[in-house]
Amino acid sequence: DAKTTQPPSMDCAEGRAANLPCNHSTISGNEYVYWYRQIHSQGPQYIIHGLKNNETNEMASLIITEDRKSSTLILPHATLRDTAVYYCIVRVGGLLRGGSNYKLTFGKGTLLTVNP
Amino acid sequence: SAVISQKPSRDICQRGTSLTIQCQVDSQVTMMFWYRQQPGQSLTLIATANQGSEATYESGFVIDKFPISRPNLTFSTLTVSNMSPEDSSIYLCSGLDGTDTKLFFGSGTQLSVL
Repeated sequence: DAKTTQPPSMDCAEGRAANLPCNHSTISGNEYVYWYRQIHSQGPQYIIHGLKNNETNEMASLIITEDRKSSTLILPHATLRDTAVYYCIVRVGGLLRGGSNYKLTFGKGTLLTVNP
Repeated sequence: SAVISQKPSRDICQRGTSLTIQCQVDSQVTMMFWYRQQPGQSLTLIATANQGSEATYESGFVIDKFPISRPNLTFSTLTVSNMSPEDSSIYLCSGLDGTDTKLFFGSGTQLSVL
């Protein structure tokens, strides 16, 4: 799976949009971009994933550049409860079942701190 | 989405003893996994818990140290055997959701070995 690069930490003011970048310059055509987050003392939580189109759900938006070499996770109105480590993961295939496709490799992520 | 209950949530154990962590899902899931998160580190996959058969271990993890059971589609256990202080970590159970596109996790077991 392609390697990802994320800033180790970011700050955001409460109520403002949080934009978390992720570089994945070696991504291949069949690799998806996944985002998870881990709030302190909890297990990771799925946020969103996509292949090449921008995606939006109730938690966040995922913007993938046209060349797919980078992406941005957007939390439109950050709250204090969004303070967490955010993981950007790139892996082959959208379905996690079958062969070794179930594996998700977590990097170090970005610690997002939302300040009042 | 499905909910995973994991227990104990934390424990303090003596060197040389074993601890069994239980993971209960509120619905049937096709695949379950066990991860370890050492202090200040990211998650590392220990093994895939296979229903009715031996678990599939990742490189660096062995069955004698981390025996895993999965008797049905909603329950799994991980045992940390013959513990040493280096086993102090958070252990997390996870499952694959019904769409086969995302993992969901338990809240973890914080293990401290003295």
